[in-house]
Amino acid sequence: GESVGLHLPTLSVQEGDNSIINCAYSNSASDYFIWYKQESGKGPQFIIDIRSNMDKRQGQRVTVLLNKTVKHLSLQIAATQPGDSAVYFCAENIPIQGAQKLVFGQGTRLTINP
Amino acid sequence: DGGITQSPKYLFRKEGQNVTLSCEQNLNHDAMYWYRQDPGQGLRLIYYSQIVNDFQKGDIAEGYSVSREKKESFPLTVTSAQKNPTAFYLCASGVSDTQYFGPGTRLTVL
Repeated sequence: GESVGLHLPTLSVQEGDNSIINCAYSNSASDYFIWYKQESGKGPQFIIDIRSNMDKRQGQRVTVLLNKTVKHLSLQIAATQPGDSAVYFCAENIPIQGAQKLVFGQGTRLTINP
Repeated sequence: DGGITQSPKYLFRKEGQNVTLSCEQNLNHDAMYWYRQDPGQGLRLIYYSQIVNDFQKGDIAEGYSVSREKKESFPLTVTSAQKNPTAFYLCASGVSDTQYFGPGTRLTVL
């Protein structure tokens, strides 16, 4: 079946350092992936997305890398700030009858230490 | 959270009672979704709707019902048939591939 999983449930980094959050997916037919950031008690916030015809995409302080060979993607956050502390989810976007179904991983809790 | 609102933020329910969670969006999105999130886990799809007056079951639809009478609104009813309703409920709307989430409603069954 389809599933999206994360390698590490928690990650702590020093403020100012770079962080890397990893994600594995199982559906080789998936062609669109999204990273969301969720702060405590709030809804997930869209960070960045990537399609399967790309290997890398950059945003503001964030970069997503996609390795289709091993079905792995990662989110890199540069120069982390206290506001980056949150749970990060990768999601696999699967078309269903004209709509889109998001399959979420368990999430990684990122803690930025001062 | 954008133009998606959910109310109430916190909701308490006694066992055996039905309760309706509100979701409204002003983004003119055709598609709307309901997800459930349990502690320390990702989101699971309950129901989704592509257009007005049409909706489909997601992965965990049992014990839930929805309606889509207006494009802007997609209310979710948690019925007494839902065995473990305590959770964080998230509504989303989308255009093309991307979904945007509301702030969520935390439902607690007493």
